[in-house]
Formats: sequence, structure tokens, C-alpha cells
Amino acid sequence: AQKITQTQPGMFVQEKEAVTLDCTYDTSDPSYGLFWYKQPSSGEMIFLIYQGSYDQQNATEGRYSLNFQKARKSANLVISASQLGDSAMYFCAMFGNEKLTFGTGTRLTIIP
Amino acid sequence: EAGVAQSPRYKIIEKRQSVAFWCNPISGHATLYWYQQILGQGPKLLIQFQNNGVVDDSQLPKDRFSAERLKGVDSTLKIQPAKLEDSAVYLCASSSPTYEQYFGPGTRLTVT
Repeated sequence: AQKITQTQPGMFVQEKEAVTLDCTYDTSDPSYGLFWYKQPSSGEMIFLIYQGSYDQQNATEGRYSLNFQKARKSANLVISASQLGDSAMYFCAMFGNEKLTFGTGTRLTIIP
Repeated sequence: EAGVAQSPRYKIIEKRQSVAFWCNPISGHATLYWYQQILGQGPKLLIQFQNNGVVDDSQLPKDRFSAERLKGVDSTLKIQPAKLEDSAVYLCASSSPTYEQYFGPGTRLTVT
């Protein structure tokens, strides 16, 4: 069975600072994918970034980067230069065995 | 490209009543997913369709929930009869052969 753990229920960060959201995972499948989604108060899930288990380099998408440490089974999301619009729930998810499994999420609040 | 469409956006019903949700995936996406997201938790997969066939419905409470995807396009999720614990956001997502899933805006169900 696959499992995603997000240990930070909530975080407060000053605007323009960088923030790291933690995610650890567990799977016995050698081939898997790791995702981060953003969920604003409006409710939709917005795809942010993807990392494949065989990718050699850490994924980056604009201000988002994924710090992938395979041996430690961690896939932390780093947001550089945070903005007020980054305030939302953030979910880490793992794709394996044709199924996407989500963590419990981290509520990020950006302080002006 | 149009996104995943869902309706209604909000629904309030009394327990033991029935309710149906509709989802129209992104054109050309063969795989369709229904998730249940209870407040404060990550989305949980209820059912996954590949075209009009069911791939995974292991977490669907089949005594009260049913879903269909006629003609491999639109899908309907039904709850009959509803219970208080069914109050949640119901998310529909679709994907092409890549891993990335695109989510709709969700239907927020309140059972009183």
C-alpha cells in the first residue's frame, strides 16, 4: 500500500520569504510519480509540479521546485518569494498502481 | 481548452434523500475519477473509469453510492440514501495517458 505523510497542518510565512512544505511517502512500487497540488478556498485542485521516480533532476516550475530525496522518501515543495496569492491548502500526492493517493494537506498562510 | 466541468456546485439535502452529481471531463481524456474530500482531509478516490469501464471502485460504498460513465464521456455519481457523513466536496478529475490529473471545481454536498 502507498502512503503520503504531511506533518505540517499549518504554516505562517512572511510575504516574499521562501517556504518549504514537507512531504514523505512510502511505497514498494519502484515506479511512481509525485505531485503537488494547490487548493484555494474556492475548492479546485490546481496542479503545481510533478516528479517522476526515475527523474535524475529535481523538478522546477517557475517559483515552485520539488526537493526530491529518493533515499529518504521525501518530496518537499519549495516556494520561492512567496506572494499573498499563495495562501491556500497544499496537497502532496503519489501516483502508483494507477492510483493517486493524497496526503492530509498543509494550510499555508502568507502574512503581508 | 475547456476544463473539467461539474454541476451542481453546491447541494443541500436531508439525510435519506438521494442526490446526483454530473461531470464532463476534458475532451479526449479517457480516464475519469471521482474523489470524496471530507473537510480537513485530502481527496479519497471513490471510483476510476477507463473509457466506460470501471478500473477501481474498491473504496466506493456500493450499498449507497453508484456511478456510471455512459459512452465513455460524461459521468454521474449518485448517492441514495444519503447519510450525514456523506457531507463533503465531490471532485471529478480526468487524465490523458500522462500521469497528470485535471480537476473540476467540485460539488459541495451538505447533508442535514
